[in-house]
Amino acid sequence: AQSVTQPDIHITVSEGASLELRCNYSYGATPYLFWYVQSPGQGLQLLLKYFSGDTLVQGIKGFEAEFKRSQSSFNLRKPSVHWSDAAEYFCAVGAGTYNYIFGTGTRLKVLA
Amino acid sequence: SQTIHQWPATLVQPVGSPLSLECTVEGTSNPNLYWYRQAAGRGLQLLFYSVGIGQISSEVPQNLSASRPQDRQFILSSKKLLLSDSGFYLCAWSPGPSYGYTFGSGTRLTVV
Repeated sequence: AQSVTQPDIHITVSEGASLELRCNYSYGATPYLFWYVQSPGQGLQLLLKYFSGDTLVQGIKGFEAEFKRSQSSFNLRKPSVHWSDAAEYFCAVGAGTYNYIFGTGTRLKVLA
Repeated sequence: SQTIHQWPATLVQPVGSPLSLECTVEGTSNPNLYWYRQAAGRGLQLLFYSVGIGQISSEVPQNLSASRPQDRQFILSSKKLLLSDSGFYLCAWSPGPSYGYTFGSGTRLTVV
């Protein structure tokens, strides 16, 4: 069965520091992979997605993610975090069916 | 461009009362439509999805139902709300499995 794991429930970084949010998935083939961001009380916004090709994908707001098949991972990165990046981040896996599996989320706190 | 509208934004309802949440999509045809629930501190739980008018798939047996009376309209209902129905409800649409979702802004439901 498909599954998604986000091992870090909370992460705190200082503004200007680099960021990496972890995502591991379980699926037999290469799935569709997504990262979403959710600000408090809002819906989720798609940051980036991967389904084939270059394993390093660029997204909005300066985020990028790298697909590593050998590690079944799709970690989200940003070189320099801004205070406005404080939010909750969700990794999701799709496998060619109509619905996706979401991780439980990582809440990011940014220190001034 | 495509837009998704979800209303109301907040709702406080007594236990045992009915519920109707509406979601509409503009600028596309035959979208895949989804209802998710997000409980505090937890991930997203898929409740229903629909790939066409009158076609509803239920992921979790519960006190809720969904209907799709028109191509771009998706309604979440309940005849009698329970306390456990409280949560943040999100509607989403997608053109297909590799595209990711576009989410509505959500409805905060509190059952009292």
